[in-house]
Amino acid sequence: SAVISQKPSRDICQRGTSLTIQCQVDSQVTMMFWYRQQPGQSLTLIATANQGSEATYESGFVIDKFPISRPNLTFSTLTVSNMSPEDSSIYLCSATGTSGSYEQYFGPGTRLTVT
Amino acid sequence: AQTVTQSQPEMSVQEAETVTLSCTYDTSESDYYLFWYKQPPSRQMILVIRQEAYKQQNATENRFSVNFQKAAKSFSLKISDSQLGDAAMYFCALTGGGGADGLTFGKGTHLIIQP
Repeated sequence: SAVISQKPSRDICQRGTSLTIQCQVDSQVTMMFWYRQQPGQSLTLIATANQGSEATYESGFVIDKFPISRPNLTFSTLTVSNMSPEDSSIYLCSATGTSGSYEQYFGPGTRLTVT
Repeated sequence: AQTVTQSQPEMSVQEAETVTLSCTYDTSESDYYLFWYKQPPSRQMILVIRQEAYKQQNATENRFSVNFQKAAKSFSLKISDSQLGDAAMYFCALTGGGGADGLTFGKGTHLIIQP
């Protein structure tokens, strides 16, 4: 299984500002994903982070609000832009294993509070 | 579109007893995978068990087993000999695309273990 770390683990931000969350995997992985978990809710897929190309966003999520980078097979970032209190959530990244593996392993999440 | 339904917001079980968590799903994919994840208060998502849709045999991992009914699109989780450490939110999840897609999650079941 892949071991995934995220930075920061939590942050409190002012509305109108942006925060970039980093996700680091301990081995090269095929797929990386970003999810949002609003308070008391389940996880919702934001986008698939594609290595070397633009991310693939799910309905309701746009690149201008949630720009994603994936410069290599072990690292990705998610930026939450122009934040509002409604963006207060836990943001989690996940990754599949090596080629042929389909189970997803998750990072510990980033708890974001927007005031 | 894929959907995952967990109809039990909360379940309670006595320590050492057996409990079953329900999950139904809908997908148009022929190649898909099903998972149960555990999320304790630490918020770390932990993979409990996985099931390939093409396999008829139900998956088992120690005290955890599933009842996969493909025609009924049902995927329940049985926890035997419940332990205090099993207390958590349990999420049922589905991915298609041969495992290359992001996960679709159910709303979760909060499992309480009574000592």
